[in-house]
Amino acid sequence: GENVEQHPSTLSVQEGDSAVIKCTYSDSASNYFPWYKQELGKRPQLIIDIRSNVGEKKDQRIAVTLNKTAKHFSLHITETQPEDSAVYFCAASTNSGGYQKVTFGTGTKLQVIP
Amino acid sequence: DTAVSQTPKYLVTQMGNDKSIKCEQNLGHDTMYWYKQDSKKFLKIMFSYNNKELIINETVPNRFSPKSPDKAHLNLHINSLELGDSAVYFCASSRSGGPLNTEAFFGQGTRLTVV
Repeated sequence: GENVEQHPSTLSVQEGDSAVIKCTYSDSASNYFPWYKQELGKRPQLIIDIRSNVGEKKDQRIAVTLNKTAKHFSLHITETQPEDSAVYFCAASTNSGGYQKVTFGTGTKLQVIP
Repeated sequence: DTAVSQTPKYLVTQMGNDKSIKCEQNLGHDTMYWYKQDSKKFLKIMFSYNNKELIINETVPNRFSPKSPDKAHLNLHINSLELGDSAVYFCASSRSGGPLNTEAFFGQGTRLTVV
């Protein structure tokens, strides 16, 4: 089955700096890679996603890159703000018998220091 | 309108009891999930249902029994609760597989505390 590794587990940055979170996956059949943000006491919510036919995607201060050959993808947050503090999860999604199977990374706790 | 709603939000119960958590989605999705999030924040898939059929059962003790009366509902019943069952349980839904997988929408979570 799919195995998703995520690093680092914790990350502290100064406000205004950039933050990078990296994930690797094992199943070359994975074709969809969402990133979720979970604020304290809240539900995980999608912030950005990328499909396997795309190498990079950007949405304002957030960008995601995908390297299919190396089986890794990364989340980049620029000009970090205190409200970016949260736990971030990467995920890899594949079709298993015609149904979607999503495997999550272990999460990165990002702290943005004002 | 709440897309994925689960009840209750908090559940405190004694060891050995049986409890249920309910989940409903109004997004018209075919696939629903139960995830367990432990104190380390790991999100672990427990079950996945597609159109009321069990698709994924990830080595969860048989004290946990999901039930899907229709594709908009996926309830979780837990028998003989143990201390280690304390966690936050998230229900989620997404569109079916096929060539285009899609994001999962999560419920607000149920914080289960077994004392």
